Amino acid sequence: ETGVTQSPTHLIKTRGQQVTLRCSSQSGHNTVSWYQQALGQGPQFIFQYYREEENGRGNFPPRFSGLQFPNYSSELNVNALELDDSALYLCASSLPGIAHEQYFGPGTRLTVT
Amino acid sequence: AQTVTQSQPEMSVQEAETVTLSCTYDTSESDYYLFWYKQPPSRQMILVIRQEAYKQQNATENRFSVNFQKAAKSFSLKISDSQLGDAAMYFCAYRTFLEYSGGGADGLTFGKGTHLIIQP
Repeated sequence: ETGVTQSPTHLIKTRGQQVTLRCSSQSGHNTVSWYQQALGQGPQFIFQYYREEENGRGNFPPRFSGLQFPNYSSELNVNALELDDSALYLCASSLPGIAHEQYFGPGTRLTVT
Repeated sequence: AQTVTQSQPEMSVQEAETVTLSCTYDTSESDYYLFWYKQPPSRQMILVIRQEAYKQQNATENRFSVNFQKAAKSFSLKISDSQLGDAAMYFCAYRTFLEYSGGGADGLTFGKGTHLIIQP
């Protein structure tokens, strides 16, 4: 069974640019959640995707958007990057009907300069 | 909105000893889930233990156990026989029992974490 994978591992972007982060769910998991973890903080919920639609969102502006594909993989897109967007971005997948049991990927470290 | 508080930024314990990490939370819900996650330097969040609020019995997983006090809204993690591999950040997290609330699904709400150091 393949676990949750994320790409890239690290990337550096300039303020104002756009970025796309990718996540592959664990086999059979059709629900994907994204979290932002600033340095020294706990993760914060960005949004959740289920059956290719966003079905829950935390306190993040619309420039944070996402996609989920038929194979349940997912993308997180961030437009107009700000310095405060520098963080570890975690993807978590879960089984149908068990969204509380989330399995995390290793994360993507984004640095905005 | 729910909040999770971890009041110990850092804890240190001798190898083979027992350590308890504290967590308190605030919610108006009666049914929910509580979790402890471990995040080693590799960054990957690993689920350590889970507790359903409707279960009175405290969850245990090998050397890990919790003390769940629902009325006090307290959820502490006890690690027995500490090992060097237990060194990591530990996060307490909350999730609503409802699959959908307020029109959409909720994610996990995390505390700020406790850095656990194991002294050899």
